[in-house]
Amino acid sequence: KAGVTQTPRYLIKTRGQQVTLSCSPISGHRSVSWYQQTPGQGLQFLFEYFSETQRNKGNFPGRFSGRQFSNSRSEMNVSTLELGDSALYLCASSSPVQETQYFGPGTRLLVL
Amino acid sequence: KQEVTQIPAALSVPEGENLVLNCSFTDSAIYNLQWFRQDPGKGLTSLLLIQSSQREQTSGRLNASLDKSSGRSTLYIAASQPGDSATYLCAVLPYQAGTALIFGKGTTLSVSS
Repeated sequence: KAGVTQTPRYLIKTRGQQVTLSCSPISGHRSVSWYQQTPGQGLQFLFEYFSETQRNKGNFPGRFSGRQFSNSRSEMNVSTLELGDSALYLCASSSPVQETQYFGPGTRLLVL
Repeated sequence: KQEVTQIPAALSVPEGENLVLNCSFTDSAIYNLQWFRQDPGKGLTSLLLIQSSQREQTSGRLNASLDKSSGRSTLYIAASQPGDSATYLCAVLPYQAGTALIFGKGTTLSVSS
């Protein structure tokens, strides 16, 4: 089975721009979660989508949003980028819920 | 609020040594605990998952234990190898949290040959 894939792998943006990241889960997995990893804060949960519905949300501002499509692929969007949004963004898929989460390689975002 | 702490933050050992990584959490109401490995600039690889009703899990040279009552987990690595060099992350899944794992900051392990 193919693993979790994320595109793009690297991204450079400037402050004020917006960005969209994509995640394709393992085939058959319906739950996709997103995490932000920074040196200072470590790994923090952003949100989870299951069957196209946001089921859980972490403590991030409304500039961070996401969606899930009928094929379980998910996108996250960050609007009005700030320097502090520079991070490694990881997505994970799992099935059934609350079992092992499988992580993708991440998208490294640099905001200048 | 659940907090996860990993000590030490960094560890250097010679090849062949057995070692223990520690993880502590403040709230025992967890559904499971996972240990992950992360290589520099890469994603996370799941190593072991322990359900709240279990005491330990083993995979090859790795053994993870869980003591919910004391809020502690350990990851034991036997006969360490240079290829084990990575950051090891502990994460707990609280009840009613869906898939929202709470991670520790990790222990960066360096195994020298």
